[in-house]
Amino acid sequence: DIQMTQSPSTLSASVGDRVTITCRASQRISTWLAWFQQKPGKAPNLLIYKASSLESGVPSRFSGSGSGTEFTLTISSLQPDDFATYYCQQYYSWFTFGPGTKLEIK
Amino acid sequence: EVQLLESGGGLVQSGGSLRLSCAASGFRFSSYAMTWVRQAPGRGLEWVSAISGSGGSTNYADSVKGRFTISRDNSKNTLYLQINSLRAEDTAVFYCAKATGDLGAEQTFDYWGQGTLVTVSS
Repeated sequence: DIQMTQSPSTLSASVGDRVTITCRASQRISTWLAWFQQKPGKAPNLLIYKASSLESGVPSRFSGSGSGTEFTLTISSLQPDDFATYYCQQYYSWFTFGPGTKLEIK
Repeated sequence: EVQLLESGGGLVQSGGSLRLSCAASGFRFSSYAMTWVRQAPGRGLEWVSAISGSGGSTNYADSVKGRFTISRDNSKNTLYLQINSLRAEDTAVFYCAKATGDLGAEQTFDYWGQGTLVTVSS
């Protein structure tokens, strides 16, 4: 089974900051990686698929990069609505989610 | 507009059973794989099971294999999850989600329902 890790587990930042979250896979997954945003009490929302493709309707301040085993999600200028938990997911071999990164207001 | 509406959750005793349903609308249901993902209170997301558009192919996480059964009725645009031999650690919100294509190709999940809570009491 493919295992996913994320760092950091918690990130404190301010509105306007540029932030980066890292996701690593236990084996190479090409670019079969997605990023989801989840707010408390709500379902996850797809942000990025195939490592770097922006889902329709997602603001352009979100971007993804990487291939193989290391991936990043970057938010270029944090907005108040962005404080949430972010999960990466591999879909190269069935599906595995990372443990999540909670983005908090500093 | 794609809509997914789960139902069937509730409080059940350890060892009991439940059948979750997910009513889908707004897309050609039979053309897409569907999946169940669960989230225990305060925890992360865990993929549970997936089924192909035709219903002919299924897969399960090791943690639920042998106890959970995924199925679908394409005539009713409805996805199901039969959960047997429930354990306390199965307590979670269960989400259904639509895949971006059919099973067998690399697909992620683009639409999610609001979730249904399953609580297992010991």
